[in-house]
Amino acid sequence: KQEVTQIPAALSVPEGENLVLNCSFTDSAIYNLQWFRQDPGKGLTSLLLIQSSQREQTSGRLNASLDKSSGRSTLYIAASQPGDSATYLCAVRTSYDKVIFGPGTSLSVIP
Amino acid sequence: GAVVSQHPSRVICKSGTSVKIECRSLDFQATTMFWYRQFPKQSLMLMATSNEGSKATYEQGVEKDKFLINHASLTLSTLTVTSAHPEDSSFYICSARGGQGGNSPLHFGNGTRLTVT
Repeated sequence: KQEVTQIPAALSVPEGENLVLNCSFTDSAIYNLQWFRQDPGKGLTSLLLIQSSQREQTSGRLNASLDKSSGRSTLYIAASQPGDSATYLCAVRTSYDKVIFGPGTSLSVIP
Repeated sequence: GAVVSQHPSRVICKSGTSVKIECRSLDFQATTMFWYRQFPKQSLMLMATSNEGSKATYEQGVEKDKFLINHASLTLSTLTVTSAHPEDSSFYICSARGGQGGNSPLHFGNGTRLTVT
């Protein structure tokens, strides 16, 4: 059974710092891995999608990597801003066309 | 980009009533849609997979008679919470696959906050 974990559960950093969020999954048989952002009481915004054959994806200040064999993904945020404060969720799409979400990392960027 | 519209965004209902939540794909056809539930400070839990023209597939522990799903067209799936109870209060989110195959991204609605009094 696929299980997804995220570390840390919460993170508070001063503005301008670079930071890394971690996601681990137990079954390497995945189609893709997607990182989302969720603001309080809101839906999900897709940030980056990494296919199983890819190693990383970049969008602006965000870079996501995927090491399928070790069951790990990282989301790197450069030069963090207060507007980056949100909960970040990783989700793996399994071979059975299901998406399993991690518990999320709550990020707070302090001005 | 692909947009998924979910309606209503908030709803308050009394115990015993039914509530319908709509999920629409606005600029693409979605043969498959997914319904999730999110409790406070927890992650999203898949409730069911909605397939156009056929019965939904429910996850273990989800009552299909309580959470009725209808996917009557390629752009609309509905979730009806029947005989709502305060413990059904939660955040419900739908998503739709923007294409065919396992490599296509999922697009999410903005969610519906259900409060049952």
